[in-house]
Amino acid sequence: DAGVIQSPRHEVTEMGQEVTLRCKPISGHNSLFWYRQTMMRGLELLIYFNNNVPIDDSGMPEDRFSAKMPNASFSTLKIQPSEPRDSAVYFCASSFQDSYEQYFGPGTRLTVT
Amino acid sequence: LAKTTQPISMDSYEGQEVNITCSHNNIATNDYITWYQQFPSQGPRFIIQGYKTKVTNEVASLFIPADRKSSTLSLPRVSLSDTAVYYCLVVGYNNNDMRFGAGTRLTVKP
Repeated sequence: DAGVIQSPRHEVTEMGQEVTLRCKPISGHNSLFWYRQTMMRGLELLIYFNNNVPIDDSGMPEDRFSAKMPNASFSTLKIQPSEPRDSAVYFCASSFQDSYEQYFGPGTRLTVT
Repeated sequence: LAKTTQPISMDSYEGQEVNITCSHNNIATNDYITWYQQFPSQGPRFIIQGYKTKVTNEVASLFIPADRKSSTLSLPRVSLSDTAVYYCLVVGYNNNDMRFGAGTRLTVKP
């Protein structure tokens, strides 16, 4: 398996623009997680899905952030409108449900100017 | 979720054994202890998990005392490539909601 796939790997955008990050989990995994990492705040859990259903989105910063998982092999994290403080590395991870072993993707480095 | 406390940073030399201790005083009966490793510019990677006593795999050992209020990750004979941030997490049973703390930045010197 290729592991968790994220795209794009790097994204530079201007404030106010919409940003869409994509994730393909490992085949067979039924849990998917979105994290954000910055120097100031560390690694934060934004939202996670079990069997394509959002379970906990309490980590989503505000209404500008939304995440979807239309099927077992694809998820998106959207920021609209983006702001400079959204600049971070966004990681997607997947696992079998109820497993503590999460597999992380390479991350998307987002820069909002 | 139980709060965890671990040293911000540690230094070691190649070939030494490194022990990183994590405190989790309010761990619940059904909670598990999990450790992850993160290299620069990569996502975290699972190392080991345990509930009590000792767990060993090809990468590390995890020691958990009887009261489970702390745990120690042991890395045998570290090399330069073990330089990374190590995270201790306490996770509820059958609950994959994991919250990462600040971690311990381990620097291995030649």
